[in-house]
Amino acid sequence: AQSVTQLGSHVSVSEGALVLLRCNYSSSVPPYLFWYVQYPNQGLQLLLKYTSAATLVKGINGFEAEFKKSETSFHLTKPSAHMSDAAEYFCAVSYTGRRALTFGSGTRLQVQP
Amino acid sequence: DAGVIQSPRHEVTEMGQEVTLRCKPISGHDYLFWYRQTMMRGLELLIYFNNNVPIDDSGMPEDRFSAKMPNASFSTLKIQPSEPRDSAVYFCASSLNEGGETQYFGPGTRLLVL
Repeated sequence: AQSVTQLGSHVSVSEGALVLLRCNYSSSVPPYLFWYVQYPNQGLQLLLKYTSAATLVKGINGFEAEFKKSETSFHLTKPSAHMSDAAEYFCAVSYTGRRALTFGSGTRLQVQP
Repeated sequence: DAGVIQSPRHEVTEMGQEVTLRCKPISGHDYLFWYRQTMMRGLELLIYFNNNVPIDDSGMPEDRFSAKMPNASFSTLKIQPSEPRDSAVYFCASSLNEGGETQYFGPGTRLLVL
């Protein structure tokens, strides 16, 4: 069975500071990994995904994530936070045999001026 | 493309009433997913379809929930009878038929059962 653990339900950073949101996964087969962002009262929007090509994945809005198989991690980073990055972020996993996404519990990012 | 379309966006109903949520996937997508989001349980899969056929309905809470996909451009999720614990945001998503393919989410239906 697959599972996703997001460490830290709330993360607060200052504008301009590094953003680091943590995600660890558990999968018995090669995973596909995703980061989605959800703004208040909206649906989920894909930030980036890993599908077994390059381990460092660049996404929209300056976000990137690195797949580390040895650590079973897929942490999301952004060098400099903007106020507009305040939202909830979800890490998710799927694999070829099961297309549905298994989500982590989410991390709410707060950006302080 | 207009993206995934869901209706209604908001639904308030009384316990015991039937509720029907609707979804129109992105044209050409082979997979359709229904997820539910609550504070207690987070985002969880209810059911998904491939080419209109249900593949995995293990997330459907109980017999009160049913989902259909009569054609490639329409799906419904029905709750009968509804209960207050069904209050949640219900998302529909669709994707192409490739491993690791992005799922595109609709705006969700916010359901409140009184």
